[in-house]
Amino acid sequence: EVQLVESGGGLIQPGGSLKLSCAASGFTIGNNYMTWVRQPPGKGLQWVSVIFGGGATYYADSVKARFIVSREISKNTLYLQMNNLGAEDTAVYYCARGKGNSPGLGDFDLWGQGALVTV
Amino acid sequence: QSALTQPASVSGSPGQSITISCTGTSSDVGNYDLVSWYQQHPGKAPKFIMYGVNKRPSGISDRFSGSKSGNTASLTISGLQAEDEADYYCCSYVPSNMVVFGGGTKLTVL
Repeated sequence: EVQLVESGGGLIQPGGSLKLSCAASGFTIGNNYMTWVRQPPGKGLQWVSVIFGGGATYYADSVKARFIVSREISKNTLYLQMNNLGAEDTAVYYCARGKGNSPGLGDFDLWGQGALVTV
Repeated sequence: QSALTQPASVSGSPGQSITISCTGTSSDVGNYDLVSWYQQHPGKAPKFIMYGVNKRPSGISDRFSGSKSGNTASLTISGLQAEDEADYYCCSYVPSNMVVFGGGTKLTVL
């Protein structure tokens, strides 16, 4: 089955760190760009970061220098290391897959169920 | 990376058509045909329903259509059904190698 499963969410004190994982199955994460999107409680979607097939990474200004996206191809797993967390980072964090052969960077055709991070 | 502007809510009766607008700038929506749309039901992950302004992913009903004029993209849902009631988000490419979402629109089927 093609799916994404996030883990690692939880309650963390302000200033603390947390690492989310996103385990993929049914496809290889290195063949697609992969992204993290978050959604604060009762609010809209916010793009967080992307990692391309070649390994290049980009971040939203709000998390730049605090969050790091990485992946482990051998485990087919995406990660989001979050440092110096603040109340504004409280959200459900989704990992999502970029649509193959799509020119758009915002074309996310497969989403995980989300992981709640509470700061 | 300012959020794209969407109406907070729209509504329509079953069978009717509604349109949700998504306004950006000449740097994002207006400069690229790279607008996508997502449907999100309460407590669920977003669902990919449109990309490249007007292309439907496999399995998405042709009741959903997309368009763009200038800095504003639009999603039209025809033949409204009860299951269309959800939140809808637009999304656009932003130079360089970033993405921005709209604030979201709550669709109510009366």
